[in-house]
Amino acid sequence: KQEVTQIPAALSVPEGENLVLNCSFTDSAIYNLQWFRQDPGKGLTSLLLIQSSQREQTSGRLNASLDKSSGRSTLYIAASQPGDSATYLCAVKPRIYSGNTPLVFGKGTRLSVIA
Amino acid sequence: DGGITQSPKYLFRKEGQNVTLSCEQNLNHDAMYWYRQDPGQGLRLIYYSQIVNDFQKGDIAEGYSVSREKKESFPLTVTSAQKNPTAFYLCASIGRVGPDGELFFGEGSRLTVL
Repeated sequence: KQEVTQIPAALSVPEGENLVLNCSFTDSAIYNLQWFRQDPGKGLTSLLLIQSSQREQTSGRLNASLDKSSGRSTLYIAASQPGDSATYLCAVKPRIYSGNTPLVFGKGTRLSVIA
Repeated sequence: DGGITQSPKYLFRKEGQNVTLSCEQNLNHDAMYWYRQDPGQGLRLIYYSQIVNDFQKGDIAEGYSVSREKKESFPLTVTSAQKNPTAFYLCASIGRVGPDGELFFGEGSRLTVL
């Protein structure tokens, strides 16, 4: 059964620092991996989607990489700002059968950027 | 604007009552999902539907029911059989037919049992 782990569970950094959030998954048979942001009491906002054939995706100050063979993904945030404070979740879509297989989520990393 | 609308945002229920959470999307998405989120436990899948008039149980379906009579709508009923229903409920839909679509979420509904 696919499992997704995010370490650390919480992270606090000073403003301006570049940082990396980690995501690992146990089964490399995936269609894609998606990174989300969640603010307290809100829904999840999609940040980046990486297909299994891709190595990375970039959006603004965010860069996500995927190493499917080792079961790892990283989310790099450049020049962090207090507005980046949120919980970041990663999720993989298992390659079980065709169709819209439900994603498997990690528990998230809670990021605090201190001004 | 296109998106996923969940209502109500906050809901209070007495023990023994059934409640229904609404989820409506105008994105023309085929697949829709219901997740439950509890502190420290991450997201857990309740039910999902890949097409109208079809749905499958997720990991924690006991005490919940759904219907999918229209493509746009996927309501979730929390029944009195659900022993611990206080949680944050999230509805999602996926952007294209096939395995590589992007998942989008609504803003969530917080249910509290009094």
